[in-house]
Amino acid sequence: GNSVTQMEGPVTLSEEAFLTINCTYTATGYPSLFWYVQYPGEGLQLLLKATKADDKGSNKGFEATYRKETTSFHLEKGSVQVSDSAVYFCALRPYGGSQGNLIFGKGTKLSVKP
Amino acid sequence: ETGVTQSPTHLIKTRGQQVTLRCSSQSGHNTVSWYQQALGQGPQFIFQYYREEENGRGNFPPRFSGLQFPNYSSELNVNALELDDSALYLCASSLEVIASRQYFGPGTRLTVT
Repeated sequence: GNSVTQMEGPVTLSEEAFLTINCTYTATGYPSLFWYVQYPGEGLQLLLKATKADDKGSNKGFEATYRKETTSFHLEKGSVQVSDSAVYFCALRPYGGSQGNLIFGKGTKLSVKP
Repeated sequence: ETGVTQSPTHLIKTRGQQVTLRCSSQSGHNTVSWYQQALGQGPQFIFQYYREEENGRGNFPPRFSGLQFPNYSSELNVNALELDDSALYLCASSLEVIASRQYFGPGTRLTVT
C-alpha cells in the first residue's frame, strides 16, 4: 500500500542553521509529493509540491526534489529562522487519486532557537 | 488565512454521544475533504464530497458521515463516539476534485471522555 515515512522529531536548531527533514515513500506508479506546514493553532498550509520525478518544489527558501530512484522527497532550507518553527508533514497523493486523498507522514516538529 | 473556517474550535463529548462538526469552504470551492489528526500523528483521510455527493472514503466506519450544502458549507457527523475519536478534525476545500491545491481550515479539537 501507499505510505510515507519521515524522520522523527523534534528537531531543534539554532537560527541560520541548515535544515534537512527526511521523507521517504512507498507507492505504486507516480504519486505526487507534498510538504505541508502546520503553525501552532493553525491549519495545514501547502509549502511546496512536486508532481513528477526530478521535479524540484520550492517556496520561502525551502526546497525538495522528487527522487524516484530513492523514493525520497527530503525537505531542505539553507538558513532557518525562528519563524520557521512549526510541524512539517510530508504527504503523497497516489497516482490518479483525487486531491483530497492525501497520505501523510507523522510530522516532524521543528524548533528554531534565536 | 485560507478562507476556510471551522466550528466549534473545541468540543468535549461523552462516549456514545453524537457530534456534528461544521466547515465553511472558500467561495466557489465545490470539493471538501475531511481528515482526522490524532495527537502526534499525521492527518488521515476520512472522506471527500464533490457537488454534494460522497466522492471517496478512507478507512473509517459508517458512523462517520457527512453532508455538503450548496452554500459551500459542510458537516462531519460522528455517531456512537468512542474514546479513540478524540482528535483534531480538519476540513479542506478545493476548486475541483483534481485541483492544484486544497486549503485547510484550522480544525476542531474533539475530546471524548
